[in-house]
Amino acid sequence: DTGVSQDPRHKITKRGQNVTFRCDPISEHNRLYWYRQTLGQGPEFLTYFQNEAQLEKSRLLSDRFSAERPKGSFSTLEIQRTEQGDSAMYLCASSLQGVGDGYTFGSGTRLTVV
Amino acid sequence: AQSVSQHNHHVILSEAASLELGCNYSYGGTVNLFWYVQYPGQHLQLLLKYFSGDPLVKGIKGFEAEFIKSKFSFNLRKPSVQWSDTAEYFCAVGASGTYKYIFGTGTRLKVLA
Repeated sequence: DTGVSQDPRHKITKRGQNVTFRCDPISEHNRLYWYRQTLGQGPEFLTYFQNEAQLEKSRLLSDRFSAERPKGSFSTLEIQRTEQGDSAMYLCASSLQGVGDGYTFGSGTRLTVV
Repeated sequence: AQSVSQHNHHVILSEAASLELGCNYSYGGTVNLFWYVQYPGQHLQLLLKYFSGDPLVKGIKGFEAEFIKSKFSFNLRKPSVQWSDTAEYFCAVGASGTYKYIFGTGTRLKVLA
């Protein structure tokens, strides 16, 4: 097991384009989380999956954002019509049961919107 | 609403100095508390966690943290830092029974050799 994998590591896109990120959690973890981190800030919660069910979305996640976790395995986060304010590090984490177990984070995808 | 405050944004220490990083949270209920560390170029890693029981929690690499409920604090300590402890440290709080964390803004620690 190599931990939580995220792809790509870096993405530069032009404003208005759509981007999609992928996260592969630790295989036995049934819970998956997306966070966003901007410069000088701590990670901010975006959304959470238990198996394939998306159980909560933050108000930070506008309708341009969508996340899926088909079959409860990998997850994708799509941003449509990107804006410069979307530039951030997008972090994925997984856990076995819940918040009590602590997360295992991936290395993140750094998005730059130009 | 929950919030987490890390008052020290940047800390510079010499090797062998003692470390204490402050973390205060606001939430009236039962919480789970965490410290994460991010070494340069690496991903966030769990340093230690508190759920219940002994308020003094020991983590990896000689770190410990003390939960003081009356002060809503969970400060991180290490008696003698090393150059390899240079990293960014994040405190996080999760309301008991919930699944998401609120993170502080982080403290950048630089240890001078």
